[in-house]
Amino acid sequence: GAVVSQHPSWVICKSGTSVKIECRSLDFQATTMFWYRQFPKQSLMLMATSNEGSKATYEQGVEKDKFLINHASLTLSTLTVTSAHPEDSSFYICSARTLRGRTYNEQFFGPGTRLTVL
Amino acid sequence: AQTVTQSQPEMSVQEAETVTLSCTYDTSESDYYLFWYKQPPSRQMILVIRQEAYKQQNATENRFSVNFQKAAKSFSLKISDSQLGDAAMYFCAYRSTSGTYKYIFGTGTRLKVLA
Repeated sequence: GAVVSQHPSWVICKSGTSVKIECRSLDFQATTMFWYRQFPKQSLMLMATSNEGSKATYEQGVEKDKFLINHASLTLSTLTVTSAHPEDSSFYICSARTLRGRTYNEQFFGPGTRLTVL
Repeated sequence: AQTVTQSQPEMSVQEAETVTLSCTYDTSESDYYLFWYKQPPSRQMILVIRQEAYKQQNATENRFSVNFQKAAKSFSLKISDSQLGDAAMYFCAYRSTSGTYKYIFGTGTRLKVLA
């Protein structure tokens, strides 16, 4: 149980276009999801906390107008990278917070999305 | 603010041997959770082990065990009988028991397993 999926697993886009990444909790409801960014050989950097039905909370230094987050349902959060540029190329990972059982308040991670902006 | 430090960027271990990965953290909270995550080349984050701060007993999961020293704010991971499949990045993480429940990750340790 507690499976999180991401789509797409990789995407290549042209500079200036927008890209949407989906994060789904497959077998549980998640009122809170998290979006991370990971550069090669580095740790996960939290970008924002996504709460169902309300605005996302962004970490300091993350441009909220560039990284649009929508958490419209208890199983789906989306990250849209607007007007993408080569420096936005990275690995994006989402996680979903579970509220059940022994794993209460733990995060389960998606497999990640590799974004390459040409 | 809480911080997590992993001072070993890279470690190597011979297959079947034991290796210990270090993690220290800083917090003013008395109750929290600590985790070790494994990130293989696929980059999927896999939970290795969790420790609840209010539990004095060190957590164990098969070949993986931790040495949790609350007063010293230390949380090391011991991998026994290392296997080739253990080769990965290992991240230590901290989570509060209140607030946003977000994780604070360390910088990671790359573990190489030598055949």
